[in-house]
Amino acid sequence: GQQLNQSPQSMFIQEGEDVSMNCTSSSIFNTWLWYKQEPGEGPVLLIALYKAGELTSNGRLTAQFGITRKDSFLNISASIPSDVGIYFCAGPMNYGGSQGNLIFGKGTKLSVKP
Amino acid sequence: NAGVTQTPKFQVLKTGQSMTLQCAQDMNHEYMSWYRQDPGMGLRLIHYSVGAGITDQGEVPNGYNVSRSTTEDFPLRLLSAAPSQTSVYFCASSYDGQYGYTFGSGTRLTVV
Repeated sequence: GQQLNQSPQSMFIQEGEDVSMNCTSSSIFNTWLWYKQEPGEGPVLLIALYKAGELTSNGRLTAQFGITRKDSFLNISASIPSDVGIYFCAGPMNYGGSQGNLIFGKGTKLSVKP
Repeated sequence: NAGVTQTPKFQVLKTGQSMTLQCAQDMNHEYMSWYRQDPGMGLRLIHYSVGAGITDQGEVPNGYNVSRSTTEDFPLRLLSAAPSQTSVYFCASSYDGQYGYTFGSGTRLTVV
């Protein structure tokens, strides 16, 4: 079945550093979504990508939809303490009756040292 | 506009007890889903609904029931709680089921 493999699992970085994380799959996705989850809260959508090769920014965040449609990456520039959280990639399921629901990667936990 | 509201925020159950986790949205979204989140496992789909009166199973449905009598509400019922159901549960809704699901803030359930 569909699976999303996220790496790295966790990152410990210094404030001001840039961050890069990625998500890969053996299946093709037509949409890639990146969510952030802060402690005690639900995931919040950061960026949505709808076309292969698309590069989209949201403030200090930049995400790209891989040209093969099997991968995506998320970059955070000049990290700050409030970037702490778990970042998930997600894509719509495309099998059986679950179409329209999301499948999630296992997340990248980001810690930022001031 | 409250978005997706989940209650309760925390719950402790004894093995064998039943309970209902509540989820309500005020965005007139047709698609609603329940996920559970366990350490290192990401979010896994339990049940989902594409409109009032229509529900279906996700990846991990065993031990859970759902119903959707209105567009706004999508409760999740635990029939006979087991320690393996200790988890954080998230309800989410979407306008068209493909993009931009909005999540509630979760219910942290412990079964002892």
